[in-house]
Amino acid sequence: DTGVSQNPRHKITKRGQNVTFRCDPISEHNRLYWYRQTLGQGPEFLTYFQNEAQLEKSRLLSDRFSAERPKGSFSTLEIQRTEQGDSAMYLCASSPRGTGGFNEQFFGPGTRLTVL
Amino acid sequence: GESVGLHLPTLSVQEGDNSIINCAYSNSASDYFIWYKQESGKGPQFIIDIRSNMDKRQGQRVTVLLNKTVKHLSLQIAATQPGDSAVYFCAENMGWMRFGAGTRLTVKP
Repeated sequence: DTGVSQNPRHKITKRGQNVTFRCDPISEHNRLYWYRQTLGQGPEFLTYFQNEAQLEKSRLLSDRFSAERPKGSFSTLEIQRTEQGDSAMYLCASSPRGTGGFNEQFFGPGTRLTVL
Repeated sequence: GESVGLHLPTLSVQEGDNSIINCAYSNSASDYFIWYKQESGKGPQFIIDIRSNMDKRQGQRVTVLLNKTVKHLSLQIAATQPGDSAVYFCAENMGWMRFGAGTRLTVKP
């Protein structure tokens, strides 16, 4: 399978703990995106990378959240001191470098986080 | 503020009928849109996209229509099948995707 993969698929943690998620994009896709989705809502943008450079961060990305893409391939999203409001599906997407600013984004299956 | 939104939260159709899912957007400068399908427990799946220099684009059993005058986008699914049951999102390309809340399509056998 050459699609976007995410690990773990599910994570249950206690409030105050740190969690880290991993995303492996489609090979040779140089753009990688993180989104968060809560029940009944559309995905909300968090941040994105072009290669290893983090180009944009949403205001949703508080200082407890940090994302990295150290070698321009896989990415990690860490949430420190988790809160119950962090419970959501965390989605990763990747896209090739498009022309004219248009980029088809392909999503992974997501990591469902539950904070108790 | 600017938003991408959908007219109806749910849509129920009979198997074999055509489905039409609508979306309104408010940013007149939007130049690219994508429709995604999301099944329960899965990530959004790319269906079809359209650029603002087009009015219509067709795929396999799906057609997207763009009306820039009224800032309206629609997704038409021909001969709807039970496997089409899912939540459908329109999304606006901001470099990243800005999603609306979604429409749940239910196909009755």
